[in-house]
Parts: sequence; C-alpha cells; structure tokens
Amino acid sequence: ETGVTQTPRHLVMGMTNKKSLKCEQHLGHNAMYWYKQSAKKPLELMFVYSLEERVENNSVPSRFSPECPNSSHLFLHLHTLQPEDSALYLCASSQGAGHEQYFGPGTRLTVT
Amino acid sequence: AQSVAQPEDQVNVAEGNPLTVKCTYSVSGNPYLFWYVQYPNRGLQFLLKYITGDNLVKGSYGFEAEFNKSQTSFHLKKPSALVSDSALYFCAVRDPSNNNDMRFGAGTRLTVKP
Repeated sequence: ETGVTQTPRHLVMGMTNKKSLKCEQHLGHNAMYWYKQSAKKPLELMFVYSLEERVENNSVPSRFSPECPNSSHLFLHLHTLQPEDSALYLCASSQGAGHEQYFGPGTRLTVT
Repeated sequence: AQSVAQPEDQVNVAEGNPLTVKCTYSVSGNPYLFWYVQYPNRGLQFLLKYITGDNLVKGSYGFEAEFNKSQTSFHLKKPSALVSDSALYFCAVRDPSNNNDMRFGAGTRLTVKP
C-alpha cells in the first residue's frame, strides 16, 4: 500500500450506532488530519495531530472522538451521530504541520 | 484568521484553450498558498504551492499559478486544457503564524469540453 488509505470507503449507520473510521499513512509523515467535506461547503478541519499529540480541535461535537495511537494511524470514533453528520470524511497527512497535505480517498458516511 | 475565496463555482473551457481558476486570499502575514485537485470519488491531490521566491509556480500536470501580492490572488492556470483536467479544484492558504490551520476555499468545478 502506498500513500494514505482509509477504511471503510462507505458507511451507513443509524443514529444510535457506534462505528470507527480508520486512516493509515505510508509516507513517513508526522502530522495527520481529519476533515469533513460537505457538498458546496469548504473543507472543515476537524482535528490535527502532530507527533501523535492533538494540536487542533475545531469546536467539533463530542460525538466525534479522534485517536492517534502512532504516527501512521488515525481513527475517528463515531457515536450517536445526527443526519447532518452525513458527509465525506477525509484523512490527510503531512511532513510537519502546515506543509502540503496528502489525502486519502475518504469515507462516505450516511447517517440514517 | 486567514481566509480564501474562489469566486467561481463553475468554469467551463474548450479542450485546447487556456484555463484559469481564480483564488483570492486574506492573511495577516506572508501567505503560504496551495492548490489541490479532487477527482470523483477520490481525496484531494496536491498540485502546487507558493511559499516564497518566484511569483510563478509550476506544478503537476502542466499547471502553474501566479502569486500576486498586490491583488492578494493566486490564480491557477494551464496553457492548454485537457478533458481529463475536468475535476474540482481547491485553493488553500496557511498563515505562517499558525502552522496547524490551513483554510480551504469552497472549490471550483472545472469542466473541459471536447
């Protein structure tokens, strides 16, 4: 595998479910990011991890919980989501926070 | 806080013609500017960046962008468009005083017709 991978690619979940999104980067980068992409809206930065420590949390509801166990892996734990949380969730990595980012293909999440 | 605007939701050009996708920014210091492209069902892909130096930056797939400080713009250009360039293009800006905060524009959909 090369680049940034994300699993699953598609996820449908009910409002009472708990699920997790996984991201893995094979680029040797030391910063990882979660973004939310909704139609016709700018990308929303959710979380930033630099050297495995969370350095940014942009007022994201607590129903989204990130985890970064090491520099190559990033998770987004989801629980009691709302229909408006349906979106494409993108993971990215970079060598140093603030440099160009390399994105995974995203997880298309639908909350029913 | 920094911000970026892409004034056009949609740009249509004929294959072989030059293309321009516009971007303007607002940042307190000297900006770091980026362009990304997104193809259907894919994540964003880095095209090029401006940090310092020559105002004309060359990137992947024949794209280039010109940094214009007086107009606070960073327009993406290509001399001859290909049908395969059809995609969603995002401009992004980072304020060097905040390494963690990169702001993206809303995106411009480029359609190149044969």
